[in-house]
Amino acid sequence: NAGVTQTPKFQVLKTGQSMTLQCAQDMNHEYMSWYRQDPGMGLRLIHYSVGAGITDQGEVPNGYNVSRSTTEDFPLRLLSAAPSQTSVYFCASSPPGADTQYFGPGTRLTVL
Amino acid sequence: SQQGEEDPQALSIQEGENATMNCSYKTSINNLQWYRQNSGRGLVHLILIRSNEREKHSGRLRVTLDTSKKSSSLLITASRAADTASYFCATVQVGGYQKVTFGTGTKLQVIP
Repeated sequence: NAGVTQTPKFQVLKTGQSMTLQCAQDMNHEYMSWYRQDPGMGLRLIHYSVGAGITDQGEVPNGYNVSRSTTEDFPLRLLSAAPSQTSVYFCASSPPGADTQYFGPGTRLTVL
Repeated sequence: SQQGEEDPQALSIQEGENATMNCSYKTSINNLQWYRQNSGRGLVHLILIRSNEREKHSGRLRVTLDTSKKSSSLLITASRAADTASYFCATVQVGGYQKVTFGTGTKLQVIP
């Protein structure tokens, strides 16, 4: 199993550009989530999904969209990038009950 | 706001010593988990303790949970240089869709 994969690993955007961060898992996990990690802030939940077709907002959802059309994929869209979205983004998945989350390697995003 | 707050923010110890880090949280939980993050990497699940448990062991790790005080502690015994990492607590709240929220982390340095 590849586990949780994220692409790209690094990305530089200009203010106002849009892009999609990709996340895929091959463990048939129902629960997937996106976090951003900023220095001194720990991880903050952006959006999460408990299954295909079901998504909900986390702590810091503004400026981000998600959809979950398949169990495997959970892309995160930045609609109009802002410098405040410069961060490291982690995708995670877990089986029902969220007992253990499996994390991807992260995407380091810089918005100029 | 963050559900979990870790204390201390940073900890430096000699190899062989024990390391203790604490986590406080705000709302009722289903379970509490501890994760480790090596620099620049994704998080790795270490141990989970359920709300009806008071103590749990896994190898050199010991976790305690006090739901009356809404706090948990992680003890790493006989620390090694390879334990150098950031440690995060994560809580799964009661009800809803089992949102997982992370604390701000403790940065542990083990000096050889």
